[in-house]
Amino acid sequence: VVMTQSPATLSVSPGEGATLSCRASQSVSSNLAWYQQKPGQAPRLLIYGSSTRATDIPARFSGSGSGTEFTLTISSLQSEDFVVYYCQQYNNWPLSFGGGTKVEIK
Amino acid sequence: EVQLVESGGGLVQPGGSLRLSCAASGFTFSNYGMSWVRQAPGKGLERVSGITDSGGSTYYADSVKGRFTISRDNSKNTLYLQINSLRAEDTAVYYCAKRVATAAYFDFWGQGVLVTVSS
Repeated sequence: VVMTQSPATLSVSPGEGATLSCRASQSVSSNLAWYQQKPGQAPRLLIYGSSTRATDIPARFSGSGSGTEFTLTISSLQSEDFVVYYCQQYNNWPLSFGGGTKVEIK
Repeated sequence: EVQLVESGGGLVQPGGSLRLSCAASGFTFSNYGMSWVRQAPGKGLERVSGITDSGGSTYYADSVKGRFTISRDNSKNTLYLQINSLRAEDTAVYYCAKRVATAAYFDFWGQGVLVTVSS
Protein backbone atom coordinates (compact mmCIF):
# COMPACT_ATOMS: atom_id res chain seq x y z
CA VAL A 1 0.00 0.00 0.00
CA VAL A 2 1.45 3.33 -1.04
CA MET A 3 0.90 6.12 1.48
CA THR A 4 0.95 9.66 0.11
CA GLN A 5 1.16 12.64 2.43
CA SER A 6 0.30 16.17 1.45
CA PRO A 7 1.48 18.79 1.42
CA ALA A 8 5.18 18.00 1.73
CA THR A 9 5.63 21.29 3.59
CA LEU A 10 2.97 23.28 5.38
CA SER A 11 3.62 26.88 6.47
CA VAL A 12 1.55 27.96 9.44
CA SER A 13 1.69 30.82 11.92
CA PRO A 14 2.01 29.98 15.61
CA GLY A 15 -1.38 29.74 17.24
CA GLU A 16 -3.12 28.81 14.02
CA GLY A 17 -4.41 25.36 13.13
CA ALA A 18 -2.97 22.89 10.63
CA THR A 19 -4.49 20.07 8.63
CA LEU A 20 -2.23 17.32 7.28
CA SER A 21 -3.45 14.73 4.80
CA CYS A 22 -2.53 11.10 4.23
CA ARG A 23 -3.94 9.05 1.38
CA ALA A 24 -3.67 5.28 0.94
CA SER A 25 -3.54 3.61 -2.47
CA GLN A 26 -6.12 1.09 -1.23
CA SER A 27 -8.33 0.85 1.79
CA VAL A 28 -6.57 0.42 5.13
CA SER A 29 -9.78 0.58 7.15
CA SER A 30 -8.97 2.58 10.31
CA ASN A 31 -5.56 0.98 10.75
CA LEU A 32 -3.62 4.20 10.46
CA ALA A 33 -1.09 5.72 12.84
CA TRP A 34 0.54 9.14 12.95
CA TYR A 35 4.00 9.86 14.30
CA GLN A 36 5.79 13.10 15.12
CA GLN A 37 9.53 13.42 14.61
CA LYS A 38 11.58 16.25 16.04
CA PRO A 39 15.05 16.97 14.61
CA GLY A 40 17.62 14.45 15.77
CA GLN A 41 15.02 12.38 17.61
CA ALA A 42 13.17 9.15 17.02
CA PRO A 43 9.56 9.23 15.86
CA ARG A 44 6.93 9.43 18.58
CA LEU A 45 3.50 7.83 18.32
CA LEU A 46 0.74 10.44 18.24
CA ILE A 47 -2.38 8.70 16.97
CA TYR A 48 -3.40 5.09 16.29
CA GLY A 49 -6.60 3.57 15.01
CA SER A 50 -6.94 6.73 12.88
CA SER A 51 -8.31 8.80 15.77
CA THR A 52 -7.11 7.55 19.18
CA ARG A 53 -4.47 9.69 20.84
CA ALA A 54 -1.52 7.85 22.32
CA THR A 55 -0.55 8.24 25.96
CA ASP A 56 0.35 11.80 27.00
CA ILE A 57 -0.45 13.32 23.61
CA PRO A 58 -2.09 16.74 23.99
CA ALA A 59 -5.70 17.18 22.99
CA ARG A 60 -4.75 19.71 20.29
CA PHE A 61 -3.79 16.70 18.14
CA SER A 62 -6.68 14.87 16.53
CA GLY A 63 -6.98 12.32 13.77
CA SER A 64 -9.83 11.31 11.52
CA GLY A 65 -10.64 9.29 8.43
CA SER A 66 -11.06 5.74 7.26
CA GLY A 67 -10.56 3.75 4.11
CA THR A 68 -8.14 5.76 1.99
CA GLU A 69 -8.36 9.32 3.29
CA PHE A 70 -6.98 10.44 6.63
CA THR A 71 -6.35 13.74 8.35
CA LEU A 72 -4.21 14.88 11.25
CA THR A 73 -5.38 18.16 12.69
CA ILE A 74 -3.32 20.27 15.04
CA SER A 75 -5.24 23.09 16.63
CA SER A 76 -3.39 26.17 17.83
CA LEU A 77 0.17 25.23 16.89
CA GLN A 78 2.78 25.55 19.62
CA SER A 79 6.48 26.13 18.94
CA GLU A 80 7.32 22.46 19.54
CA ASP A 81 4.80 21.36 16.88
CA PHE A 82 6.82 22.75 13.98
CA VAL A 83 8.42 19.44 13.04
CA VAL A 84 7.79 16.49 10.71
CA TYR A 85 4.78 14.15 10.77
CA TYR A 86 4.47 10.68 9.24
CA CYS A 87 1.49 8.42 8.71
CA GLN A 88 1.76 4.61 8.68
CA GLN A 89 -0.76 1.99 7.64
CA TYR A 90 -0.87 -1.32 9.43
CA ASN A 91 -3.82 -2.93 7.73
CA ASN A 92 -1.88 -4.63 4.94
CA TRP A 93 1.53 -6.27 4.76
CA PRO A 94 4.09 -4.98 4.27
CA LEU A 95 3.60 -2.06 6.61
CA SER A 96 4.21 1.27 4.94
CA PHE A 97 4.89 4.88 5.86
CA GLY A 98 4.03 8.09 4.09
CA GLY A 99 6.78 10.41 2.95
CA GLY A 100 6.14 12.93 5.70
CA THR A 101 4.83 16.47 6.06
CA LYS A 102 7.05 19.16 7.49
CA VAL A 103 5.18 21.86 9.39
CA GLU A 104 7.17 25.08 9.33
CA ILE A 105 6.71 28.51 10.80
CA LYS A 106 5.12 30.99 8.44
CA GLU B 1 9.83 2.91 31.81
CA VAL B 2 10.29 1.38 28.39
CA GLN B 3 13.79 1.83 27.00
CA LEU B 4 15.27 0.71 23.71
CA VAL B 5 18.97 1.35 23.29
CA GLU B 6 20.65 0.65 19.97
CA SER B 7 24.35 0.09 19.47
CA GLY B 8 26.76 -1.23 16.88
CA GLY B 9 26.61 1.44 14.21
CA GLY B 10 29.55 3.12 12.58
CA LEU B 11 31.47 3.74 9.40
CA VAL B 12 31.95 0.72 7.17
CA GLN B 13 33.26 0.24 3.66
CA PRO B 14 30.99 -0.94 0.85
CA GLY B 15 30.66 -4.69 1.01
CA GLY B 16 31.33 -4.72 4.73
CA SER B 17 29.23 -5.99 7.62
CA LEU B 18 27.89 -4.76 10.93
CA ARG B 19 25.71 -6.16 13.68
CA LEU B 20 23.29 -3.79 15.32
CA SER B 21 21.90 -4.50 18.76
CA CYS B 22 18.89 -3.12 20.59
CA ALA B 23 18.77 -3.65 24.34
CA ALA B 24 15.24 -3.53 25.69
CA SER B 25 14.04 -2.87 29.22
CA GLY B 26 10.91 -1.80 31.06
CA PHE B 27 8.58 -4.33 29.44
CA THR B 28 8.30 -8.07 28.89
CA PHE B 29 10.41 -8.25 25.74
CA SER B 30 9.38 -11.79 24.83
CA ASN B 31 5.73 -10.74 24.48
CA TYR B 32 6.19 -8.24 21.66
CA GLY B 33 7.10 -8.16 18.01
CA MET B 34 9.95 -5.85 17.12
CA SER B 35 11.14 -4.11 13.98
CA TRP B 36 14.06 -2.22 12.54
CA VAL B 37 13.11 1.00 10.75
CA ARG B 38 15.70 3.10 8.96
CA GLN B 39 15.89 6.69 7.84
CA ALA B 40 18.37 7.82 5.22
CA PRO B 41 19.72 11.36 5.68
CA GLY B 42 16.93 13.86 5.00
CA LYS B 43 14.52 11.12 3.97
CA GLY B 44 11.47 9.33 5.34
CA LEU B 45 10.99 6.12 7.30
CA GLU B 46 11.45 2.63 5.87
CA ARG B 47 10.71 -0.54 7.80
CA VAL B 48 13.47 -2.90 6.74
CA SER B 49 12.85 -5.89 8.98
CA GLY B 50 10.52 -7.30 11.61
CA ILE B 51 10.33 -10.31 13.89
CA THR B 52 7.54 -11.87 15.92
CA ASP B 53 7.64 -12.18 19.69
CA SER B 54 8.94 -15.74 19.60
CA GLY B 55 11.30 -15.11 16.72
CA GLY B 56 9.50 -17.71 14.67
CA SER B 57 8.58 -15.39 11.83
CA THR B 58 10.55 -12.62 10.15
CA TYR B 59 10.05 -9.98 7.49
CA TYR B 60 12.51 -8.23 5.19
CA ALA B 61 11.98 -5.39 2.77
CA ASP B 62 12.95 -6.25 -0.79
CA SER B 63 15.75 -3.69 -0.56
CA VAL B 64 17.57 -5.72 2.09
CA LYS B 65 16.42 -9.30 1.51
CA GLY B 66 19.30 -11.72 1.42
CA ARG B 67 21.70 -9.22 3.04
CA PHE B 68 20.08 -8.45 6.41
CA THR B 69 19.20 -10.95 9.14
CA ILE B 70 17.02 -10.07 12.11
CA SER B 71 17.11 -12.12 15.28
CA ARG B 72 16.36 -11.82 18.95
CA ASP B 73 17.51 -13.33 22.23
CA ASN B 74 14.59 -13.20 24.62
CA SER B 75 16.79 -14.37 27.49
CA LYS B 76 18.92 -11.26 27.02
CA ASN B 77 16.07 -8.89 26.05
CA THR B 78 17.99 -7.97 22.94
CA LEU B 79 17.11 -7.52 19.27
CA TYR B 80 19.75 -7.83 16.56
CA LEU B 81 20.20 -6.90 12.94
CA GLN B 82 23.08 -8.47 11.05
CA ILE B 83 23.77 -6.41 7.95
CA ASN B 84 26.05 -7.77 5.26
CA SER B 85 27.16 -6.68 1.80
CA LEU B 86 26.58 -3.08 2.75
CA ARG B 87 25.90 -0.53 0.02
CA ALA B 88 26.04 3.25 0.00
CA GLU B 89 22.25 3.34 -0.06
CA ASP B 90 22.16 1.54 3.30
CA THR B 91 23.54 4.69 4.93
CA ALA B 92 20.89 5.68 7.45
CA VAL B 93 19.90 5.96 11.07
CA TYR B 94 18.55 2.60 12.16
CA TYR B 95 15.84 2.57 14.81
CA CYS B 96 14.52 -0.41 16.70
CA ALA B 97 10.83 -0.13 17.40
CA LYS B 98 8.44 -2.05 19.63
CA ARG B 99 5.12 -3.15 18.23
CA VAL B 100 1.99 -3.04 20.31
CA ALA B 101 0.57 -6.44 21.15
CA THR B 102 -2.56 -6.32 19.04
CA ALA B 103 -1.60 -4.29 15.99
CA ALA B 104 1.39 -3.44 13.85
CA TYR B 105 2.12 0.11 14.84
CA PHE B 106 5.00 1.17 17.06
CA ASP B 107 4.55 2.66 20.50
CA PHE B 108 8.20 2.96 21.47
CA TRP B 109 11.34 3.67 19.49
CA GLY B 110 15.00 3.65 20.33
CA GLN B 111 17.15 6.73 19.83
CA GLY B 112 18.66 5.30 16.66
CA VAL B 113 22.14 4.32 15.53
CA LEU B 114 23.91 5.72 12.48
CA VAL B 115 25.32 3.41 9.86
CA THR B 116 27.52 5.09 7.25
CA VAL B 117 28.68 3.15 4.23
CA SER B 118 31.56 4.84 2.51
CA SER B 119 35.03 4.13 1.21
